[in-house]
Amino acid sequence: DAGVIQSPRHEVTEMGQEVTLRCKPISGHDYLFWYRQTMMRGLELLIYFNNNVPIDDSGMPEDRFSAKMPNASFSTLKIQPSEPRDSAVYFCASSATSGRALDTGELFFGEGSRLTVL
Amino acid sequence: AQSVTQLGSHVSVSEGALVLLRCNYSSSVPPYLFWYVQYPNQGLQLLLKYTTGATLVKGINGFEAEFKKSETSFHLTKPSAHMSDAAEYFCAVSDSRYSSASKIIFGSGTRLSIRP
Repeated sequence: DAGVIQSPRHEVTEMGQEVTLRCKPISGHDYLFWYRQTMMRGLELLIYFNNNVPIDDSGMPEDRFSAKMPNASFSTLKIQPSEPRDSAVYFCASSATSGRALDTGELFFGEGSRLTVL
Repeated sequence: AQSVTQLGSHVSVSEGALVLLRCNYSSSVPPYLFWYVQYPNQGLQLLLKYTTGATLVKGINGFEAEFKKSETSFHLTKPSAHMSDAAEYFCAVSDSRYSSASKIIFGSGTRLSIRP
């Protein structure tokens, strides 16, 4: 089975440019998460969706960040305009709610998109 | 509110030596506990998890962890380190009342280095 697929794997852009990161979750998963990882702050949850609906975006750093999930198989994280402090690895993860009593909500991560803003 | 603390941001052991990565959690309800591993330039992947039942949990690659409620700990161990174990390890806690991953809280990570 294909895992979570993210693109691009690497992005180098200049300050002020728009950046769009893409994610395809595992088929059948009803939760999708966007995380940001930096040396200084570790792994931060930015936003998550349930059945394509944004549930909690309190981790989104500022209005320059936006995320959408137009359908169950695709999500985007957009930064506009980008700034050097946005440089980080952005991870998408998905998870399923199976309804089983012992469901643990294990997260399945993509390989990440490494963003460098010059 | 739940939280997780990983003691030691960097641990270095010799190949063949015991690996011990420490994790303590705080939770007002029975927790679900996880260890994730991140190899260089990759995403996180589940190493092992505790939900209910047996407190000693075995995971992939010879790792295991023991849930100790009295000590609020979930330390990760491996009897004999291998060079391929070099990675970043994240302890995580989740509220067992929820059946989704929306409440998973990650620790700050411990980088494991293996000396030849």
